[in-house]
Amino acid sequence: DSGVTQTPKHLITATGQRVTLRCSPRSGDLSVYWYQQSLDQGLQFLIQYYNGEERAKGNILERFSAQQFPDLHSELNLSSLELGDSALYFCASSVGATGYEQYFGPGTRLTVT
Amino acid sequence: DQQVKQNSPSLSVQEGRISILNCDYTNSMFDYFLWYKKYPAEGPTFLISISSIKDKNEDGRFTVFLNKSAKHLSLHIVPSQPGDSAVYFCAAKGLFFGTGTRLTVIP
Repeated sequence: DSGVTQTPKHLITATGQRVTLRCSPRSGDLSVYWYQQSLDQGLQFLIQYYNGEERAKGNILERFSAQQFPDLHSELNLSSLELGDSALYFCASSVGATGYEQYFGPGTRLTVT
Repeated sequence: DQQVKQNSPSLSVQEGRISILNCDYTNSMFDYFLWYKKYPAEGPTFLISISSIKDKNEDGRFTVFLNKSAKHLSLHIVPSQPGDSAVYFCAAKGLFFGTGTRLTVIP
């Protein structure tokens, strides 16, 4: 158990809808990262927050947004969902802002029908 | 554009033999590399890392080699065990991941 929790585990929704994925980092970790893993693809970095502020941005679509709250949990919002958004979404956390060693949650599997 | 590449999607090795997983990167500014291991239905877990100031880092059965001139790193597992069967991801700077190599260790 990495100490990182993600909810929900599974999510099935229709195209055009909006969903929110939630992540709670390990106790004491200030950074939260979001990744997308599509079928047969590697982990695509989406965005990083450090202590409530956006720290780094990857290939995150404009339809996606994220935030980190004062209690350090984070939410990833996906809107106007398309079939191609079906993927595993992982959250990870680390202690520092450049914490190369990250601890991953179990992921949320999103299926868009 | 994939900045970290793992060109072998899968690898099968006999138990007790050496497993060698390879990774190439394109950005010469990358100065820190990590290997993660992933079992089904779980998130990746950190395995071993290496800084660009080193060319080798060892941790038990796992050794990572870095060849900066070739922009290449490799993970050696000796001896391989059935419990090592998993998907292995190479990552640069903790943010750029390869597509993974599925290692199967045959008993």
